[in-house]
Amino acid sequence: EIVMTQSPATLSVSPGERATLSCRASQSLSSKFAWYQQKPGQAPRLLIYAETTRATGIPARFSGSGSGTEFTLTISSLQSEDFAIYYCQQYRSWPYTFGQGTKLEIK
Amino acid sequence: QVQLVQSGSEVKNPGASMKVSCKASGYTFTDYYLHWVRQAPGEGLEWMGWINPDSGGTNYAQKFQGRITMTRDTSISTAYMELSSLRSDDTAMYYCARDLWAAGFFDYWGQGTLLSVSS
Repeated sequence: EIVMTQSPATLSVSPGERATLSCRASQSLSSKFAWYQQKPGQAPRLLIYAETTRATGIPARFSGSGSGTEFTLTISSLQSEDFAIYYCQQYRSWPYTFGQGTKLEIK
Repeated sequence: QVQLVQSGSEVKNPGASMKVSCKASGYTFTDYYLHWVRQAPGEGLEWMGWINPDSGGTNYAQKFQGRITMTRDTSISTAYMELSSLRSDDTAMYYCARDLWAAGFFDYWGQGTLLSVSS
């Protein structure tokens, strides 16, 4: 099973600033990697797939990057609606696995 | 627009079974795999398996093998997930999610079905 490790667990950032979230995989994923956003009481929402591709309707301030086993989600200028929990996911092999989440909170 | 609408919350005793439905609309049901993902209270996301609505083929996470069954009824564009021998640690929100291109990531999610297992 591929283990996904996110850091930090909690990130405090002021609105308008940049946020950088990290995820590490225990094996190479060959770009089979996604990011999701989850707000309280809601289902997750797909942000990024194939490591760098924004999903339909996702603002350009969200960007994904990475290589092999290290991945980064960058939110260039935080808006109030971006404060949420973010999860990474690998779909390189079964069982698909998620990171434990990074809570992005208002500083 | 694409929608996945799940059945309502359930309360079950340990050892019982539960069956959650996921009704799809706004797209061709048989064109996209459906996955089930669960989330225990305050915890992260856990993948449970998928069903191919076209063929009925399934793939389950090893953790759930033997007590999970995914089925579908194409006539009503609905997928089902049944979990048996319930334990208290099965208490969670259960989501169905559509798999874009059968790639393994999920572009649309149901609203979730809360299962509480308690004696």
